[in-house]
Amino acid sequence: NAGVTQTPKFQVLKTGQSMTLQCAQDMNHNSMYWYRQDPGMGLRLIYYSASEGTTDKGEVPNGYNVSRLNKREFSLRLESAAPSQTSVYFCASSEFLVSDTQYFGPGTRLTVL
Amino acid sequence: DQQVKQNSPSLSVQEGRISILNCDYTNSMFDYFLWYKKYPAEGPTFLISISSIKDKNEDGRFTVFLNKSAKHLSLHIVPSQPGDSAVYFCAASARDSNYQLIWGAGTKLIIKP
Repeated sequence: NAGVTQTPKFQVLKTGQSMTLQCAQDMNHNSMYWYRQDPGMGLRLIYYSASEGTTDKGEVPNGYNVSRLNKREFSLRLESAAPSQTSVYFCASSEFLVSDTQYFGPGTRLTVL
Repeated sequence: DQQVKQNSPSLSVQEGRISILNCDYTNSMFDYFLWYKKYPAEGPTFLISISSIKDKNEDGRFTVFLNKSAKHLSLHIVPSQPGDSAVYFCAASARDSNYQLIWGAGTKLIIKP
């Protein structure tokens, strides 16, 4: 039982490059989330998926797209990376949207040069 | 405009003493509050939560107090142990914003031997 896994752990991109961050959970959770964490700030919600087949914007969705591939997997895509997207990205899941406990992956540290 | 504020970036406490972490919020619609703990290079892990209908919730060494009139909550850790050294995040959610978690910037707790 791995919980929430994220790949890659680290990534360096040049401005304008694209990449997809992968996330998978094995807890049969319905809801999944993508957050970013910047120095001196709390986590900010980028996108979330309340259930398989649905996705919604969070607080900071600009520059990102997501895909809920199936119940287990939720990917985050940067189509044209910008230095402002340098951050640590966390994926999380919860049984339902209203669940109090979200389970987090270990994070992806992304640097955009 | 930060809706959830943790005004102390860091806190140093002697092992065995009480640690008190504070959190203030501005949105009176928040109805659920959570504390998460985060170690370096790991994702946050859920610690304890409290509903707005309560003013106290206790779980072992951890107690969260909610003062709705002051829009303030605090996390008490008694007694503090070396393994408690981590960053602690306060988060809040509201039914009318689809239970999206709004996070504070975190407080780094250092337990001194």
